[in-house]
Amino acid sequence: AQTVTQSQPEMSVQEAETVTLSCTYDTSESDYYLFWYKQPPSRQMILVIRQEAYKQQNATENRFSVNFQKAAKSFSLKISDSQLGDAAMYFCASQGGSEKLVFGKGTKLTVNP
Amino acid sequence: DTGVSQDPRHKITKRGQNVTFRCDPISEHNRLYWYRQTLGQGPEFLTYFQNEAQLEKSRLLSDRFSAERPKGSFSTLEIQRTEQGDSAMYLCASSEGTEQFFGPGTRLTVL
Repeated sequence: AQTVTQSQPEMSVQEAETVTLSCTYDTSESDYYLFWYKQPPSRQMILVIRQEAYKQQNATENRFSVNFQKAAKSFSLKISDSQLGDAAMYFCASQGGSEKLVFGKGTKLTVNP
Repeated sequence: DTGVSQDPRHKITKRGQNVTFRCDPISEHNRLYWYRQTLGQGPEFLTYFQNEAQLEKSRLLSDRFSAERPKGSFSTLEIQRTEQGDSAMYLCASSEGTEQFFGPGTRLTVL
């Protein structure tokens, strides 16, 4: 069984600053994917960034990057130059042999002007 | 609009009534997923279709829940004899590859 743990229910950051959201996971799969999804208030969930477990290089998408530590089963999200539009719930998720996504409980990110 | 759509967006029903939700995936996507999200939680997997075949069902999907994807296009999720514990956001997602694209969800309130 897969589990995903997000230990930070809420985080806040000043506009233009950097923030890191934490995620740990557990899986028995040898091949899996990890994701960060963003869910703005009353809006649908969108994919922020994806990491294939077999790739050692950390994924990067513009201001978003991950720190993937496979041995530690850690997958944190770094948001640089935070913008007001980054305010949302952020969910870490894993996908192993099954097609389903397993989500953490989420981290609510507030961006202060 | 080429995104995933869900109908209705909101549903209020009385306990014991049946409800049905519809999901229209992105047209070329062969995989379709249903998730349930309660307040303060991440989405939880309910079931998954590849084309018209239902390939996986969660233990969360009790015998009051049924999902179909009759022609491998849209899908319906029916809840019979609704209970207050069924109140949640029901999310649909579709995919062709690894990335799942989510719809806006149907918020169900059972009174």
